[in-house]
Amino acid sequence: EAGVTQSPTHLIKTRGQQATLRCSPISGHTSVYWYQQALGLGLQFLLWYDEGEERNRGNFPPRFSGRQFPNYSSELNVNALELEDSALYLCASSLTRDRANSGNTIYFGEGSWLTVV
Amino acid sequence: QKEVEQNSGPLSVPEGAIASLNCTYSDRGSQSFFWYRQYSGKSPELIMFIYSNGDKEDGRFTAQLNKASQYVSLLIRDSQPSDSATYLCAVNEGGGFKTIFGAGTRLFVKA
Repeated sequence: EAGVTQSPTHLIKTRGQQATLRCSPISGHTSVYWYQQALGLGLQFLLWYDEGEERNRGNFPPRFSGRQFPNYSSELNVNALELEDSALYLCASSLTRDRANSGNTIYFGEGSWLTVV
Repeated sequence: QKEVEQNSGPLSVPEGAIASLNCTYSDRGSQSFFWYRQYSGKSPELIMFIYSNGDKEDGRFTAQLNKASQYVSLLIRDSQPSDSATYLCAVNEGGGFKTIFGAGTRLFVKA
């Protein structure tokens, strides 16, 4: 069974540009989460999508946005890139309907490295 | 703000020893607790999860949960150099919809 897949693996952008990152969840998972991990820092919760809707977002400015498609894949958009946006962006998925049994266990993709120069 | 606290380490143990990693959380409504391992430059991988007070064992790993003290720990028996990584404690917020991570504890297992 395929895990969470993310693309691109690496992305280099110039300050002020926009970046788009993509994620496909594990088959059957309906929830997608985005986290940011800056170098040497912990995982910061960005966004949670479930059944096509944004359910929760972390303490990030509005230039971080995204969406979830009918097939449950998701994309994260970062507008007006700043140098401090350079980080590993991790997507994770879970099977929300099985929350009672799995406690909403989330599984991560390999991440997308975003470098802003 | 709901938080998950971990000692950043590094924690250094000799090969074959028991490594003990600790975590505290602030949200009393939390019901699910997770330990992930993250190698440098890689994404986190799930080690185990625990919901009930007490111990849960899986191979060389034992998770311990004490909800009254809001404390979760991970014991790694017979530590191996390949266990050297950052260990992330994660907690589902009370509503169960958002997973909050601690900053992680770096573990070094010396051969």
